[in-house]
Amino acid sequence: EAGVTQSPTHLIKTRGQQATLRCSPISGHTSVYWYQQALGLGLQFLLWYDEGEERNRGNFPPRFSGRQFPNYSSELNVNALELEDSALYLCASSRPLTLTGELFFGEGSRLTVL
Amino acid sequence: QKEVEQNSGPLSVPEGAIASLNCTYSDRGSQSFFWYRQYSGKSPELIMFIYSNGDKEDGRFTAQLNKASQYVSLLIRDSQPSDSATYLCAPRGDYKLSFGAGTTVTVRA
Repeated sequence: EAGVTQSPTHLIKTRGQQATLRCSPISGHTSVYWYQQALGLGLQFLLWYDEGEERNRGNFPPRFSGRQFPNYSSELNVNALELEDSALYLCASSRPLTLTGELFFGEGSRLTVL
Repeated sequence: QKEVEQNSGPLSVPEGAIASLNCTYSDRGSQSFFWYRQYSGKSPELIMFIYSNGDKEDGRFTAQLNKASQYVSLLIRDSQPSDSATYLCAPRGDYKLSFGAGTTVTVRA
């Protein structure tokens, strides 16, 4: 069974540009989560999508947005990039609501803003 | 108050010793609790979850949960060099799974 896949692995952008990151969940998983992990910091919750709807978002400005497609894949868009957006962006998926609700992570997309 | 607080690291233990990791959380609605391990440069992987008060053991790992005190811990017995990693505590509420900043464990051979 394929795990969570993310693309691109690495992305280099300049300030003011837009970045789009993509995520494909594990087959059968309907929820997709996005986290930001800046160097040396913990995982900061960005967005949660379930069944195509945004269920919750973290304390990030509106220029961080995303969507979930009918096949449950997802993309994260970051507009008007700033230097501090440089981080590892992790996508995770989970099964439909279960007792445990554990997340399975992809390998991440490293965004560098110059 | 941060949503999830973990004991500050790094934590250095000799091989064969017990590593004790602690975590407190603020959301009383949290229903299940996870410990993830993250090796340097890798994504987090689930190693333990617990949703009932008390202890849960899985091999060399024991998770302990006290919902009244909003406290969850992880013990790593007979620590091995391969246990050297950052351990992330993650309580799950209704709407998200929050992560602590993590405790970095180094096991000395």
